[in-house]
Amino acid sequence: AQSVAQPEDQVNVAEGNPLTVKCTYSVSGNPYLFWYVQYPNRGLQFLLKYITGDNLVKGSYGFEAEFNKSQTSFHLKKPSALVSDSALYFCAVRVTSGTYKYIFGTGTRLKVLA
Amino acid sequence: DARVTQTPRHKVTEMGQEVTMRCQPILGHNTVFWYRQTMMQGLELLAYFRNRAPLDDSGMPKDRFSAEMPDATLATLKIQPSEPRDSAVYFCASGPGGQNTEAFFGQGTRLTVV
Repeated sequence: AQSVAQPEDQVNVAEGNPLTVKCTYSVSGNPYLFWYVQYPNRGLQFLLKYITGDNLVKGSYGFEAEFNKSQTSFHLKKPSALVSDSALYFCAVRVTSGTYKYIFGTGTRLKVLA
Repeated sequence: DARVTQTPRHKVTEMGQEVTMRCQPILGHNTVFWYRQTMMQGLELLAYFRNRAPLDDSGMPKDRFSAEMPDATLATLKIQPSEPRDSAVYFCASGPGGQNTEAFFGQGTRLTVV
């Protein structure tokens, strides 16, 4: 069965420090990987995706993510956190053939402290 | 600016009443998803359509929920009869055809069943 794990319910980081939000996945076949962000009372907003090629993917608002095939991970990173980055972050996977479903992780709440 | 539009944004109803939620996907998108978000269960896929045909509704309680796409510009999710445990935020998302493309989410319908 396909699944996505976000092992941390919450991540706290001081403003200006680097942040990492972790994601690991389990799929049969090659994955497409996505990160979304959700602000309060809003829908999910796309941040970035990995399709193929360079393992480091850059996205919106200074976020980037590193695809690691051997560790089946796709961690979200930002070199310097802002208070406005505080939100709920979701990792999602889609396999490259067959189903069109996105499988989402349980979400990680990021709190950036001033 | 293309967006997924959901109506109503908020709905309070009494137990036993019928609830209909509507979604207008982004023009040209041929894949439409319905998700439910709760604190306890996180983000659950209820159903999704491709080219207006239902591909998977296994996440939906069949006895009370139904999802349809009467035409390419409208998707509906109905609950009849509604129960307090249906209280949640319901999201619609749409996506273009490619497997490597991201989904675009609406702002959600917050449903409260009393």
